[in-house]
Amino acid sequence: EVQLVESGGGLVKPGGSLRLSCAASGFTFSNVWMNWVRQAPGKGLEWVGRVKSKSDGGTTDYAAPVKGRFTISRDDSNNMLMLQMNSLRTEDTAVYYCTTDGSGVVVPAAFNYWGQGSLVTVSS
Amino acid sequence: EIVLTQSPGTLSLSPGERATLSCRASHRVGSTYLAWYQHKPGQAPRLLIYGTSSRATGIPDRFSGSGSGTDFTLTISRLEPEDFAVYYCQQYGGSPLTFGGGTKVEIK
Repeated sequence: EVQLVESGGGLVKPGGSLRLSCAASGFTFSNVWMNWVRQAPGKGLEWVGRVKSKSDGGTTDYAAPVKGRFTISRDDSNNMLMLQMNSLRTEDTAVYYCTTDGSGVVVPAAFNYWGQGSLVTVSS
Repeated sequence: EIVLTQSPGTLSLSPGERATLSCRASHRVGSTYLAWYQHKPGQAPRLLIYGTSSRATGIPDRFSGSGSGTDFTLTISRLEPEDFAVYYCQQYGGSPLTFGGGTKVEIK
């Protein structure tokens, strides 16, 4: 069974930093591209960024609102995805989901598997 | 960036009725790279359709997707009580990936 479990959310002041983690199981983590998607209160889904598999270069892509402030990384030996968030703003308040297609056979692919999300609140 | 515009914003229907949701793209989207998701409060989003018209595993056949180029449609042939939710289209062929603003399907 595929599982994605986010952790690390919480309350942080504007300008602060926070690191989210996503523990993955039930599939070959090293083969897949991993993504972060967020949903601000009362808003729709917003793609945050992704990291490709090492076989596809291991490169990262980011949405414009977070580029230069957020960093996505992966630890294939421990099946972990990370999101380092710096210079946080009130508009970064959201539930953050890690998500993937789960196979890596065809890329890019739609997001077949999602975690339950981790709430990040940026407020003074 | 490809902007996806969904309409209507809200659809008020009764169980058993047909729902037709629209997603219009600002630039052409390859049919391989258009998906639809269902999202209910407090839950993770669920993939319904990928590649414009392919149903994800376990998705009932009352859900269907169609379209090409810049115009895509999700159809729910007969609404069941569990189908009332928010639906998002997504293009995943280019970066940045983008979602539409969502269509809420509510009980009339």
